[in-house]
Amino acid sequence: EAGVTQSPTHLIKTRGQQVTLRCSPISGHTSVYWYQQALGLGLQFLLWYDEGEERNRGNFPPRFSGRQFPNYSSELNVNALELEDSALYLCASSLRLIRSYEQYFGPGTRLTVT
Amino acid sequence: AQSVAQPEDQVNVAEGNPLTVKCTYSVSGNPYLFWYVQYPNRGLQFLLKYITGDNLVKGSYGFEAEFNKSQTSFHLKKPSALVSDSALYFCAVRTNSNSGYALNFGKGTSLLVTP
Repeated sequence: EAGVTQSPTHLIKTRGQQVTLRCSPISGHTSVYWYQQALGLGLQFLLWYDEGEERNRGNFPPRFSGRQFPNYSSELNVNALELEDSALYLCASSLRLIRSYEQYFGPGTRLTVT
Repeated sequence: AQSVAQPEDQVNVAEGNPLTVKCTYSVSGNPYLFWYVQYPNRGLQFLLKYITGDNLVKGSYGFEAEFNKSQTSFHLKKPSALVSDSALYFCAVRTNSNSGYALNFGKGTSLLVTP
């Protein structure tokens, strides 16, 4: 069974630019979560999508947004990039909306903002 | 709010010795607790979870965790450490439905197993 995949692996952008990160969940998983792992800040919850809808978001500004497609893949968009957006962005998927189910993570996209 | 704490930034252990990585939790209601491991430049790998039932949970790669309600702890353990266990370990708690079942992570504990 294929795991969660993310693209691209690495990305270098300039401050003020926009970026789109992509995630494909494990087959059969309908929930997709996005996390940011920034140096010194640990892992922080960004966004949660389930069945094509944004269900909740973490404490991040509106320039962080995304969507989930009918095939349950997801995009994370970050507008007006700032230096502090440099981080590893992790996508995770889980089966349905069940609290007990674990989340499975992709390898992440390393974003560097210069 | 649901949260976990990992009191140690780093744990050092000799290969073959038992290891423990500590985690304490603070939750309202029943805790849903998880352990993940992260190798350099990789995503997180699921190790094990506690939802309900036996306090000793067995997981992947020979790891286990002990849930202790009175001490609000969920320590990760392994009877005999391997050099390849060296990695970053995260304890996490599932938030409640209002927060969309996201995971709240501890800050991580770096495990170094020396030959």
